[in-house]
Amino acid sequence: RKEVEQDPGPFNVPEGATVAFNCTYSNSASQSFFWYRQDCRKEPKLLMSVYSSGNEDGRFTAQLNRASQYISLLIRDSKLSDSATYLCVVNPFPGNTGKLIFGQGTTLQVKP
Amino acid sequence: SQTIHQWPATLVQPVGSPLSLECTVEGTSNPNLYWYRQAAGRGLQLLFYSVGIGQISSEVPQNLSASRPQDRQFILSSKKLLLSDSGFYLCAWRVWGLNTEAFFGQGTRLTVV
Repeated sequence: RKEVEQDPGPFNVPEGATVAFNCTYSNSASQSFFWYRQDCRKEPKLLMSVYSSGNEDGRFTAQLNRASQYISLLIRDSKLSDSATYLCVVNPFPGNTGKLIFGQGTTLQVKP
Repeated sequence: SQTIHQWPATLVQPVGSPLSLECTVEGTSNPNLYWYRQAAGRGLQLLFYSVGIGQISSEVPQNLSASRPQDRQFILSSKKLLLSDSGFYLCAWRVWGLNTEAFFGQGTRLTVV
C-alpha cells in the first residue's frame, strides 16, 4: 500500500460546482497534513494546512479523519482559476524526522 | 524573508553525462532540505532529504546522490545520467517543526537524450 494515495481524476466540473477530494495515508502515527496546489509545469504551492478540528479558508475546507486515516479537501463555488492539480502531503512519522510524502495529485478542470 | 534558489531552470543532457543541480536557501538557518522528482504526468517522488549539514536520507535507490556541504546548500548529482532520469526536479525547504509547510524552488526540467 502506498504511503499516501489520491484519486488522480481528472475531475471535470462546471463553474459554481462543489467538488471534494480525498486522500488516504497508511501510517496511523502521521502528524502533519497539508494540501498543495500545482499549476501546469510549475512548482507546488501550499493551499492550506489540515488541522485536527478541520479548517476553512474562503471557499476551501479541509478535514482530517484520523480513525479512517484520510484527509479531504472541499472546494465550493468552483472558479475557472481553480483548475490545477491538488496534492495531498503527509509527514508520516511522529516528531520531526523531516520526511514529507506527496500523493500523486488529483487533477481538477473547471469548465465554463 | 526566506527565498529559495534553484538552477538551472531547464537542462538537456546526453545519456552518460554527469549532473549537478544546486539549490540554496536564504533567510533561514538549519532548514530541512528536500529533493523531489516529478515524471511527466506523475506525482512527486521524494529522492533525498536532509535535516542538517552532512546528513542525507535517501528514499529511493537509484542513479543519483545528494550532498549538503553548507547549511543552506543542497546539491543533487549523478555521475552518469540515464534516460529514466528525465523529469522535473524540485528542491524544497522547511523550518524544523511538526506542522511547518515546505516551500519549493521553481524546479529544473531535465531532459536526458
